[in-house]
Amino acid sequence: NAGVTQTPKFRVLKTGQSMTLLCAQDMNHEYMYWYRQDPGMGLRLIHYSVGEGTTAKGEVPDGYNVSRLKKQNFLLGLESAAPSQTSVYFCASTTDTNQETQYFGPGTRLLVL
Amino acid sequence: GQSLEQPSEVTAVEGAIVQINCTYQTSGFYGLSWYQQHDGGAPTFLSYNALDGLEETGRFSSFLSRSDSYGYLLLQELQMKDSASYFCAQNTYNFNKFYFGSGTKLNVKP
Repeated sequence: NAGVTQTPKFRVLKTGQSMTLLCAQDMNHEYMYWYRQDPGMGLRLIHYSVGEGTTAKGEVPDGYNVSRLKKQNFLLGLESAAPSQTSVYFCASTTDTNQETQYFGPGTRLLVL
Repeated sequence: GQSLEQPSEVTAVEGAIVQINCTYQTSGFYGLSWYQQHDGGAPTFLSYNALDGLEETGRFSSFLSRSDSYGYLLLQELQMKDSASYFCAQNTYNFNKFYFGSGTKLNVKP
């Protein structure tokens, strides 16, 4: 099993450009999450999904959109990137409600100039 | 949202014992978990408390007291490789959303 994978690993964007981050998991997990982590801070939840075809907003959803067309994939989109979106983005998955462990991907480092 | 407070940085020597505290305000959660994150890496799961008391996993133990809104991670026999950031997190009744503390950077010195 590959676990949780993320592509790309690193990206540089100019202000106003768009991009999509891909998260894939091969553990048949129902729940998937997108977080951002800024220097010296914990992880903040952007959006999450409790199953194929469903998405919901987290703590900091503005400027991002998501889609979960297939159970194994969770996409995070930036329609018009801003310097404030420079961050490290982590995807995570878990099996169901009240599951203690989240499994994280390796992260995507995004720099918006 | 949830608010979990941790010390920002802790320094200890190799072989020692260190305790990292986590205090929180919200009571509606399934459990309190702890994650380790090395610089440039992803968070990895260490320990979880659904009930009050102590959970032991090798050199790491975690404790929860719901009545005191408090938990801690205890690391024993510290090794240099334990130098990392440690995060506490709650998974909430609301679709198992996880809320993380801001993290504690542990520096282990020889």
